[in-house]
Amino acid sequence: QSVLTQPPSASGTPGQRVTISCSGSSSNIGINTVNWYQQLPGTAPKLLIYSDNQRPSGVPDRFSGSRSDTSASLAISGLQSEDEADYYCAAWDDSLNGWVFGGGTKLTVL
Amino acid sequence: QVQLVQSGPEVKKPGASVKVSCKTSGYIFTRYDISWVRQAPGQGPEWLGWISVSNGDTNYAQGIEGRVTMTTDTSTSTAYMELRSLRFDDTAVYYCTREIRGTYDSWFDPWGQGTLVTVSS
Repeated sequence: QSVLTQPPSASGTPGQRVTISCSGSSSNIGINTVNWYQQLPGTAPKLLIYSDNQRPSGVPDRFSGSRSDTSASLAISGLQSEDEADYYCAAWDDSLNGWVFGGGTKLTVL
Repeated sequence: QVQLVQSGPEVKKPGASVKVSCKTSGYIFTRYDISWVRQAPGQGPEWLGWISVSNGDTNYAQGIEGRVTMTTDTSTSTAYMELRSLRFDDTAVYYCTREIRGTYDSWFDPWGQGTLVTVSS
């Protein structure tokens, strides 16, 4: 059971906007920034968003992140077939003194 | 470019130990810490711990700290993770990842390709 809670699945059609939520607590998301990772089938996770809303070089601006209170969100606009992947949120947890992850959201592009 | 290349798959019996290596290149090894993360089949990632490459300090995740040891060899820019007393539920893909520190926070980038460790009798 993951410390951060994500919906197990999400879907959308090409061109649509999809949002994935990540719920935590006062010891993690409530006081620390959130990072998002994209994992394509059979590959290692890849950094998608860091520090709540920053995109690494090479990540399209279709991807955006936000954080409020003890929750965070990843938004993907202009959905494309290559966005079909698993998405994970992560944050440092001050009580556990370690990183915690969400259980992941499998995004399907219909 | 920055690369983390891990050792190959392992099959171990319950109670045995496994040591996974992570050879880095493309950056100054001692300037970034290394974390280890595992992912059991169909599950989300689980952080195992972190090692400061510059001074060897470690921080292991609660629940696994008695069975795991993380080390580095600065002469070869390689990090290692050893897990002892293996159990069936240790079966997972194990990843090393470089931890980048910002002013107030940090993140993992990039990740190694992963090493499948299978615990089977």
